[in-house]
Amino acid sequence: GAGVSQSPSNKVTEKGKDVELRCDPISGHTALYWYRQRLGQGLEFLIYFQGNSAPDKSGLPSDRFSAERTGESVSTLTIQRTQQEDSAVYLCASSLGQVYNSPLHFGNGTRLTVT
Amino acid sequence: AQSVTQLGSHVSVSEGALVLLRCNYSSSVPPYLFWYVQYPNQGLQLLLKYTSAATLVKGINGFEAEFKKSETSFHLTKPSAHMSDAAEYFCAVSDRNTGFQKLVFGTGTRLLVSP
Repeated sequence: GAGVSQSPSNKVTEKGKDVELRCDPISGHTALYWYRQRLGQGLEFLIYFQGNSAPDKSGLPSDRFSAERTGESVSTLTIQRTQQEDSAVYLCASSLGQVYNSPLHFGNGTRLTVT
Repeated sequence: AQSVTQLGSHVSVSEGALVLLRCNYSSSVPPYLFWYVQYPNQGLQLLLKYTSAATLVKGINGFEAEFKKSETSFHLTKPSAHMSDAAEYFCAVSDRNTGFQKLVFGTGTRLLVSP
């Protein structure tokens, strides 16, 4: 079946604008993650959703970042008042559950450039 | 806090030669360890993982990694490189007690394979 789909693939925005990134996980995957990769750095965990449980937001870098997920479907990551340091590739991943026997399936990412 | 160090942002080998990609972790207790691979224009995919007592882990495409607690290492090897192995490889670590796949990634190593 289809993999994890992210849109847009590229986004250029001006400093101070809000952006919304979308993730469509694999059907049936209850767990959904957002990570980001800034240039020259490893992936950083942002947020985790598992079913209808409260999300783990411990990785969000500031209150300008927020994410929502409706049930076990689409998720959106919103960055308000973007800053140049927000420029990165934002990656979404999904898995069948929280256990480690279920691997993460990553999308191709959204490359965000803040000018 | 956990961290992962991947020595060498780029590794070049000839086709048929041994592949060795190095990964060292920092953690107060033995963590779960992962290798992910990203082929050109594709999302990250799981290559192999260490979550149990078996210290030598075999993954897809002939890759394997050995967990060495005394050296805090989880190096990735393959006896004979193929051209199709050219990709970026990421080592990641996760706390066993987190309950979900909150991974800390290294900065990645790009493997170049020449004919």
